[in-house]
Amino acid sequence: RKEVEQDPGPFNVPEGATVAFNCTYSNSASQSFFWYRQDCRKEPKLLMSVYSSGNEDGRFTAQLNRASQYISLLIRDSKLSDSATYLCVVILPSGSARQLTFGSGTQLTVLP
Amino acid sequence: GAVVSQHPSWVICKSGTSVKIECRSLDFQATTMFWYRQFPKQSLMLMATSNEGSKATYEQGVEKDKFLINHASLTLSTLTVTSAHPEDSSFYICSARQGGSKNIQYFGAGTRLSVL
Repeated sequence: RKEVEQDPGPFNVPEGATVAFNCTYSNSASQSFFWYRQDCRKEPKLLMSVYSSGNEDGRFTAQLNRASQYISLLIRDSKLSDSATYLCVVILPSGSARQLTFGSGTQLTVLP
Repeated sequence: GAVVSQHPSWVICKSGTSVKIECRSLDFQATTMFWYRQFPKQSLMLMATSNEGSKATYEQGVEKDKFLINHASLTLSTLTVTSAHPEDSSFYICSARQGGSKNIQYFGAGTRLSVL
């Protein structure tokens, strides 16, 4: 079983739509959680951290459910520029290295 | 602006040659740098963790003699792909962690390696 699993998509949605991505992680002792965005042939960039209380940044809302080992990202009023691959990232309890473990990503295309 | 500079961004080489990729942290000192590899439509896979002044820690299945890592200073780590073969063609991304209270990990722009 993969340590971080995501629905690969692709998700093709019209502009203005609301879209949600899910991610599950296998290690219950995982410490920190993030959503990254990766554009084609580019490096991943931090979109937002994910907290148990849930957090919102503009049109983006992230949720963490530790009991279910589940992370979500909600994008409201999607824009063409939101088209990218969204990576669920977890820090596993691997000592002091605090290494990021990436999901394989969910591809989003926002259509005009 | 970029806080981690990775160079070159794209390299094409013949099979059997060696390729060096540089990763520099700008404006901060990075005691730890990470090297990832990403094949098309796959996730980033950690290859090794590079610590300044000590030997790199390689992930299982990554050949340390093939992927030489040197972290000679607090702002520079290099990855050398030795005797590259077509199967080494991939997207290599470095990352540097800014320590202290921020503890944020920044990524370089990546190097696309094509081995002919």
